[in-house]
Amino acid sequence: QVQLQESGPGLVKPSQTLSLTCTVSDASVRNEDFYWGWIRQSPGEGLEWIGHIYYSGTTYYNPSLQSRVSISVDTRRNELSLRLGSVTAADTAVYYCGRVKWWAFDVWGPGTVVTVSS
Amino acid sequence: DIQMTQSPSTLSASVGDRVNITCRASQNIENWLAWYQQKPGKAPKLLIYKASSLESGVPSRFSGSGSGTEFTLTINSLQPADFATYYCQHCKTYFSFGGGTKVEIK
Repeated sequence: QVQLQESGPGLVKPSQTLSLTCTVSDASVRNEDFYWGWIRQSPGEGLEWIGHIYYSGTTYYNPSLQSRVSISVDTRRNELSLRLGSVTAADTAVYYCGRVKWWAFDVWGPGTVVTVSS
Repeated sequence: DIQMTQSPSTLSASVGDRVNITCRASQNIENWLAWYQQKPGKAPKLLIYKASSLESGVPSRFSGSGSGTEFTLTINSLQPADFATYYCQHCKTYFSFGGGTKVEIK
């Protein structure tokens, strides 16, 4: 049973960089059938796609975040990472990582809350 | 950018009802559409992918249809566990989600 788990600081100061890690269990990020990605959900709001990545390093980013976001994959650690720079209060959200199969997120982590505040 | 518009934003229904949720894309996305169910405090759950393919383990009362720019999620015989928020997501190269439809008890 594939499991994903997000981790990282729950509080980030404005203008700093948000960094999260997603640990993948019982599956390999090198599996050629899947991409891996990040989604977020602001309090009381809908879902926002952040981006996704293939194990080879090919990435796709939400154009609205592209200038500030970076997603990477570590095949040795079997992890993917998210970095979002120059954060503001608008980046406060629950951040989810997910596996992409047939261009849909078929497995999700439980999510991690990130608050941007001084 | 492709915009996804869901309707209605809120839907009141009773157990046993048949429910339809619509998702419209701002341009042709062929059949690259997925549907999710989300309950409060939980991660979304994939229901349908490629517009009409039922994800493994999802009850058969859920079905998806449509192609191009108009899509429908149908729930036949609504069950108590189905009261939740539903999202569509286009998945043609770049992704985006619809605004969500909350299915509440009438």
